[in-house]
Amino acid sequence: NAGVTQTPKFQVLKTGQSMTLQCAQDMNHEYMSWYRQDPGMGLRLIHYSVGAGITDQGEVPNGYNVSRSTTEDFPLRLLSAAPSQTSVYFCASIPDRVTWFSGNTIYFGEGSWLTVV
Amino acid sequence: KQEVTQIPAALSVPEGENLVLNCSFTDSAIYNLQWFRQDPGKGLTSLLLIQSSQREQTSGRLNASLDKSSGRSTLYIAASQPGDSATYLCAVQLSYNTDKLIFGTGTRLQVFP
Repeated sequence: NAGVTQTPKFQVLKTGQSMTLQCAQDMNHEYMSWYRQDPGMGLRLIHYSVGAGITDQGEVPNGYNVSRSTTEDFPLRLLSAAPSQTSVYFCASIPDRVTWFSGNTIYFGEGSWLTVV
Repeated sequence: KQEVTQIPAALSVPEGENLVLNCSFTDSAIYNLQWFRQDPGKGLTSLLLIQSSQREQTSGRLNASLDKSSGRSTLYIAASQPGDSATYLCAVQLSYNTDKLIFGTGTRLQVFP
């Protein structure tokens, strides 16, 4: 199993451009989420999905869009990039919501470094 | 609003030392607390999870304790090794029906030979 795979690893965008961060997992996990990590602020939840076709907002959803058409993929779209979106983005997955509430291990991808200039 | 704090922000120790990393949270009404390890340029790896009803969890040289009433958790690393060098993060889950983890800002640990 590859686990949770994120692409691209690094990206530089100009203000106003749009792009999609890709996330894929091969563990048949129902629950997937996106976090951003900023210096001095810890990781914050952007969006999450409890299954194909179901998404919901996290703590900092503004400026981002998500969809979940398959169990495996959970792309994060930046609609019009702003310098405030310069960050490291992590995708994470767990088997299902019941397992999540039981405190099961959460699996993280290796991150996508995004710079908006 | 729940806030999670980790002190110190950075720590440098010689190999072989036993060390303690601290995590504090402002609201004691948590569901569970997890400790993660993050290597440079990598994602997070879950180390230990403590349910709110538990006092501690152990895995190898790692021991995590939880004191909900005082809003504190500690991660104890015994006989530290250079391979332990990484950033350690703690995160709390607020309740059974919330999907959000509240993360601390981490402690960057360097263990030198």
